[in-house]
Amino acid sequence: GAVVSQHPSWVICKSGTSVKIECRSLDFQATTMFWYRQFPKQSLMLMATSNEGSKATYEQGVEKDKFLINHASLTLSTLTVTSAHPEDSSFYICSALGAPTGSTDTQYFGPGTRLTVL
Amino acid sequence: AQTVTQSQPEMSVQEAETVTLSCTYDTSENNYYLFWYKQPPSRQMILVIRQEAYKQQNATENRFSVNFQKAAKSFSLKISDSQLGDTAMYFCAFMRSSGTYKYIFGTGTRLKVLA
Repeated sequence: GAVVSQHPSWVICKSGTSVKIECRSLDFQATTMFWYRQFPKQSLMLMATSNEGSKATYEQGVEKDKFLINHASLTLSTLTVTSAHPEDSSFYICSALGAPTGSTDTQYFGPGTRLTVL
Repeated sequence: AQTVTQSQPEMSVQEAETVTLSCTYDTSENNYYLFWYKQPPSRQMILVIRQEAYKQQNATENRFSVNFQKAAKSFSLKISDSQLGDTAMYFCAFMRSSGTYKYIFGTGTRLKVLA
């Protein structure tokens, strides 16, 4: 139980294009999802909190117009990197708060998406 | 503001031996959760163990156990009978029991299990 999927697992795009990453909770409903960015050999850096049916809450320093987050249903959140540039290349990880038991005290993580911008 | 400190950037242990990873945190909250996550080379974050602060009993999950010292704000992870598959980055995380449900992560400890 408590499975979270991410799609795609890796993507290569040209500079200036937009890329959408999907995060799905497969066996539970998640009213809250989180998006992280992880640089090599570093910890996870929280980018934003995604709440179903409302606007995402972005961490300080994260450009909301560049990293568009939509949480349209209880099982799906999407992160769109708009006008991507090489410095946006990174490993992006989502997590969903909850579990099949309905508890809301643990985050379950997706497998991550490696984005490379050429 | 809460902080989480993992003071051991890297550790190694022989297969079948026991290793302890340290984690300390700073908070003024009384109710919270603590977690250990494992991130193997695949980079999938896997929940290892969780502890509710209001519970005095230390959490255990098979070969993994914690030593939770609330007064000292310490939350160490003990791995018994280490296996090659335990080789990974281990992150300690803190979450308040109310509010935003955001995690505060430590910087991680890279554990290598040696054959």
